[in-house]
Amino acid sequence: DVKVTQSSRYLVKRTGEKVFLECVQDMDHENMFWYRQDPGLGLRLIYFSYDVKMKEKGDIPEGYSVSREKKERFSLILESASTNQTSMYLCASSFHLGQGDWSSYNEQFFGPGTRLTVL
Amino acid sequence: DQQVKQNSPSLSVQEGRISILNCDYTNSMFDYFLWYKKYPAEGPTFLISISSIKDKNEDGRFTVFLNKSAKHLSLHIVPSQPGDSAVYFCAASALGGTSYGKLTFGQGTILTVHP
Repeated sequence: DVKVTQSSRYLVKRTGEKVFLECVQDMDHENMFWYRQDPGLGLRLIYFSYDVKMKEKGDIPEGYSVSREKKERFSLILESASTNQTSMYLCASSFHLGQGDWSSYNEQFFGPGTRLTVL
Repeated sequence: DQQVKQNSPSLSVQEGRISILNCDYTNSMFDYFLWYKKYPAEGPTFLISISSIKDKNEDGRFTVFLNKSAKHLSLHIVPSQPGDSAVYFCAASALGGTSYGKLTFGQGTILTVHP
């Protein structure tokens, strides 16, 4: 079974702190994604990475950065946490086109999420 | 600009009846659609998908219907069970080498199945 793990289930930080959220997947997936989930807004893509050291902005990248130094690990960084970044953060991974069939290319596997509260 | 919309925030159904969850999209480049299910304190899990070359896909109690002309898809759960109570997200993808499997998600619909 695919396993995507996230470093913390719950996190409480103060405004202005630098926050690191880590995600690790064990399926040798090329693609990794960071989302935030907010009530009434669904899942919104923050950043994604399609290879080591490669990254692309998603729909809401402002206030965030990412790092992918190893294939299995994708980190989300909040440079200076703000209260409007209080949210559920979800990491996901998937095959890259060419690694699997067409349907598996689109299926993303999610971690359990990190509930971040910024005070 | 919400390209994938789930206009019903919640749905309540009696056990044994049919649950119908709806999803609309605006981007005509979308050609692959997925439904995810999410329990509280867990990440979303893949439920069922459909390619734009089909109009129906079944998997046990779950069936997804796609109406391309209306840019509308629906998920039918028959019969509904209390364990189906969860948030359901619709997602869409534009297949292509540069998309990297990016998914655009709807807002989610909370399904409650009463015993």
